[in-house]
Amino acid sequence: DTEVTQTPKHLVMGMTNKKSLKCEQHMGHRAMYWYKQKAKKPPELMFVYSYEKLSINESVPSRFSPECPNSSLLNLHLHALQPEDSALYLCASSRSGDTDTQYFGPGTRLTVL
Amino acid sequence: QKEVEQDPGPLSVPEGAIVSLNCTYSNSAFQYFMWYRQYSRKGPELLMYTYSSGNKEDGRFTAQVDKSSKYISLFIRDSQPSDSATYLCAMNPTNAGKSTFGDGTTLTVKP
Repeated sequence: DTEVTQTPKHLVMGMTNKKSLKCEQHMGHRAMYWYKQKAKKPPELMFVYSYEKLSINESVPSRFSPECPNSSLLNLHLHALQPEDSALYLCASSRSGDTDTQYFGPGTRLTVL
Repeated sequence: QKEVEQDPGPLSVPEGAIVSLNCTYSNSAFQYFMWYRQYSRKGPELLMYTYSSGNKEDGRFTAQVDKSSKYISLFIRDSQPSDSATYLCAMNPTNAGKSTFGDGTTLTVKP
């Protein structure tokens, strides 16, 4: 299994809603990542978890809250988002937090109304 | 100045053409170089992965790294309409989990 899965595929939410994005991998990878990608732009790193511990937080607003319940799962909790937060949210994993290459999931297309 | 600069495109070629996609970078610490292909509304898919200078070939794809010039390329031979996508270069220094991406080049291969 060389797949990173993400749910939901699409999400529409209001600015007062609370929602969560989920990511799962069963490759035994010990590093997992959240990226945000706007149209026609490269992915921007948000968070990195290495061995289930948050190792990088790229100064992301607190309305985004990551969680790594175990080595296979990564969540991104969303609360009080703004319309400019609408984007494709990508999860990735790699063997470790080192120089190993990252494998991306298909993303969740988020629209904030 | 960005750490990674990628030829912006867009690029449009006829089917069967040889395509050259290029990135330059300024951080001499980069050791690992990746090319990703991203279809519209999908996540990036790892295409090629190269460590340090040299060439790597995989089917119709060849990745080339010239560390002395801080320049990397991806060549696609016998291009197909299914190669139409955005191509992103990315690179890592040693001992770091953070990849630095280029802005991407959108390629269209016309039948």
